[in-house]
Amino acid sequence: GAVVSQHPSRVICKSGTSVKIECRSLDFQATTMFWYRQFPKQSLMLMATSNEGSKATYEQGVEKDKFLINHASLTLSTLTVTSAHPEDSSFYICSAAKDSFSYEQYFGPGTRLTVT
Amino acid sequence: DQQVKQNSPSLSVQEGRISILNCDYTNSMFDYFLWYKKYPAEGPTFLISISSIKDKNEDGRFTVFLNKSAKHLSLHIVPSQPGDSAVYFCAASAQGFGNEKLTFGTGTRLTIIP
Repeated sequence: GAVVSQHPSRVICKSGTSVKIECRSLDFQATTMFWYRQFPKQSLMLMATSNEGSKATYEQGVEKDKFLINHASLTLSTLTVTSAHPEDSSFYICSAAKDSFSYEQYFGPGTRLTVT
Repeated sequence: DQQVKQNSPSLSVQEGRISILNCDYTNSMFDYFLWYKKYPAEGPTFLISISSIKDKNEDGRFTVFLNKSAKHLSLHIVPSQPGDSAVYFCAASAQGFGNEKLTFGTGTRLTIIP
């Protein structure tokens, strides 16, 4: 149990376009979902925390108007990279927590975004 | 400001020997620590965790040691197997609840030599 999926796994888009990445908890309801990005050979950097039905909380330095996060249901969160630029190319990973009493976050497989 | 640090970016260990991965942290508010294993182009997989009230936690071949006064933890893998080759991240949170944000270290790439 506790499987998290992401779609798409890879996406290539042109500069200036927007890209939506989906994160789904397949066999549990996720009260909280997290979005991370990872640059090559670097750590996972938390971008934002989203709770179902409320606005996401963004980490310092992350542009909320550029990285739109929607957590519309207990099994789905989306990250939309708006007006993407080459510097947004990265590996984006989501994670999901079952509830506040669980000690684990379950990670998705990640999405490789390449902006040309 | 890197609050969780893994100072060894890479480590090579002979199969069957012990692998020791280290992690240091600076934030004294961290009370719960986790180790994740990550393969390229995949999400991290949880390995083992430890609460600050303990100094050791063991799960099969994996043991995590915590020295709270030194703000240091380590992951021991014994015996090391080729399938252990991956990048290992330590992570920390304040209370250990799943809906808390995690702060990750920079990772250590472990290579097990057959």
